[in-house]
Amino acid sequence: QVQLQESGPGLVKPSETLSLTCAVSDYSISSGYYWGWIRQPPGKGLEWIGGIHYSGSTYYNPSLRSRVTISVDTSKNQFSLKVSSVTAADTAVYYCARDVKQHQTNWFDPWGQGTLVTVSS
Amino acid sequence: SYVLTQPPSVSVAPGKTARITCRGNNIESESVHWYQQKSGQAPVLVIYYDSDRPSGIPERFSGSKPGNTATLTISRVEVGDEADYYCQVWDSSGDHVLFGGGTKLSVL
Repeated sequence: QVQLQESGPGLVKPSETLSLTCAVSDYSISSGYYWGWIRQPPGKGLEWIGGIHYSGSTYYNPSLRSRVTISVDTSKNQFSLKVSSVTAADTAVYYCARDVKQHQTNWFDPWGQGTLVTVSS
Repeated sequence: SYVLTQPPSVSVAPGKTARITCRGNNIESESVHWYQQKSGQAPVLVIYYDSDRPSGIPERFSGSKPGNTATLTISRVEVGDEADYYCQVWDSSGDHVLFGGGTKLSVL
């Protein structure tokens, strides 16, 4: 049963870069699938950030593309998220998930437990 | 831009049937997936490909998509089903993932 675990700073200053890592266990990232990031501002709905294949192929939410970078480290079986120039609007619970891409669709299963990142000085 | 619209809340008595809808202009040509998010927890996939159920999800959960409305149906609702439910599609016109705004299911 694949498991995912997010880690990273819980507090980031405005204008700085948010960095998170998702460690995957009981499944090799190199075996396939895409791997994604989704966030949820406090009390609000879900927002897709982007995803990555173990080969390095990425795809991003157009509204965040200019500030987001997703990378993968197959040797550590983990993938990472960077969001630059953060503001208070980037305060959210950040989830990583396995991104099951099929013909002209995709879904997320399973998800990590999530980690709260607060942007504040 | 393409938007998925869900009712903010649905209320149902225990043992009854809850129906949560998800509307979108182009939804008839997209596959719809549903997630359950209990308070303080991560979302869990409950329906994919409009009506398929992952292993471990009770048969009480079912999905359908007649026309431009997708529906998540929960039969014989239990108190433990109280949660937020989100629909999701791949918006092929915009090349991005789209979530509905979520529906809070209250079990009275």
